[in-house]
Formats: sequence, structure tokens, C-alpha cells
Amino acid sequence: EVQLVESGGGVVRPGGSLRLSCVASGFTFDDHDMAWVRQVPGKGLEWVSGINWNGSSTDYVDSVKGRFTISRDNAKNSLYLQMNSLRVEDTAFYHCAREERVAAGIWFDPWGQGVLVTVSS
Amino acid sequence: SYVLTQPPSVSAAPGKTARITCGGNNIESKSVHWYQHKSVHWSQQGPGQAPVLVIYYDTDRPSGIPQRFSGSNSGNTATLTISRVEAGDEADYYCQVWDSSSDRPVFGGGTKLTVL
Repeated sequence: EVQLVESGGGVVRPGGSLRLSCVASGFTFDDHDMAWVRQVPGKGLEWVSGINWNGSSTDYVDSVKGRFTISRDNAKNSLYLQMNSLRVEDTAFYHCAREERVAAGIWFDPWGQGVLVTVSS
Repeated sequence: SYVLTQPPSVSAAPGKTARITCGGNNIESKSVHWYQHKSVHWSQQGPGQAPVLVIYYDTDRPSGIPQRFSGSNSGNTATLTISRVEAGDEADYYCQVWDSSSDRPVFGGGTKLTVL
């Protein structure tokens, strides 16, 4: 069974740090680009960051650039998101997701169930 | 950047048809993908719920998704159609495309489907 399981969420004060992890199973991890997508309370899905299959290329939504770092360890089938200088507006469920690409189409399947990150004083 | 517009809410009675639209400039030139998300209440600690891909490449269904789910894409509007709606279909639905100009994915704002 193809599965993604996140961990590392929790409550942190503004300015603090957290590291999220996502362990993949059931597929060849280094065959796929991966991403983190979040859902802010009362709002929709927002792509946060993406990384290519070998970690040589990364990208971020503007609001987290310089604060978040995405990485992966293919030997451990794991994806990470290091979050520094956290802000109240970063409070969200964070999901990891596998990218699927066919020609010009790129979508996400499957997704992890997500971990809750709460930034509050 | 590319913008996708969805209605905030849609409702349908059990057994009827629900149609959820996703608007974007010349969206027919892009591949549109749809996700079902049964999000948890924010007061609940612990893990959330994984979004589920229900339509990819405008019209294709992943294995395990009922034939009641179908998609179309024409002009400036893509549509997710759910036939013979069931109580279990109640969820938030999101459309998504890849914005080639920014080389990033874009999600619509989401539509809450209520089964009456």
C-alpha cells in the first residue's frame, strides 16, 4: 500500500522552530518529486514547498522563503520540512504529498493525513 | 500568478447531481485535477485527514474512485460532476492546475459540498 505518514507537529511560540518529517512506503521514493501543502484554519489548500527527486532543486511559496527548508533522505524514504521563525499565520495542518507527472499535467497523489502546527503565544 | 475561482458552497439532495465549477483564464489549455478533503475540526488534536485525488487530467479517475465522479474542462471553466450524490460525498472539493509561468501548483479556494 502506498502511504505517507507525517510527524513532528505541535505547539510552538512565535519565532520558534519545528521540523516535520514524512516517511514514505509502498513505492520507489526517489522516483518522485515531493511537496508540502498546508491548510490554514478556515481557508483552503496552499502549496508550501516542493523538492525534486534527488534534492537538487527546491522551491517555496513566497511567504515562507528564507524561513522554511525542504529536504529529503532517499536512503530513509523520508521528506522533511524545517520551519524556523514561525509566525501565527503559519498555523495549519501540514500534508506531505507525492507529485505525479505526465506530459504537462502535474498533480498530487497520495497525500499524508497531515500534522497540526500551532503557533501561539 | 494564475487564479482559480470556485464557488464557496454547493448543495445537493441524495440521489441528485452536484456540479462544482472551477474558473480560470483559458483553463481549457491546462490540465485540471480535483481533490476531495474531509477536513477535521480544528479543535481536534492529532492527525488530520488526507485529501484524496478524485479526478486527474481533466477527466481521468484514479482506481477506487466511483464512476459517479466525472470531470470536464472547456473554455474558462472546469467542472467536477458527482452523480447520484451520497451522504459520504459531503466534503470540501479543490481544483488544481500547474501554472507554467511560475512553475508552481495553484489550488482553487475550495467548495464545500453539503448533502441535504
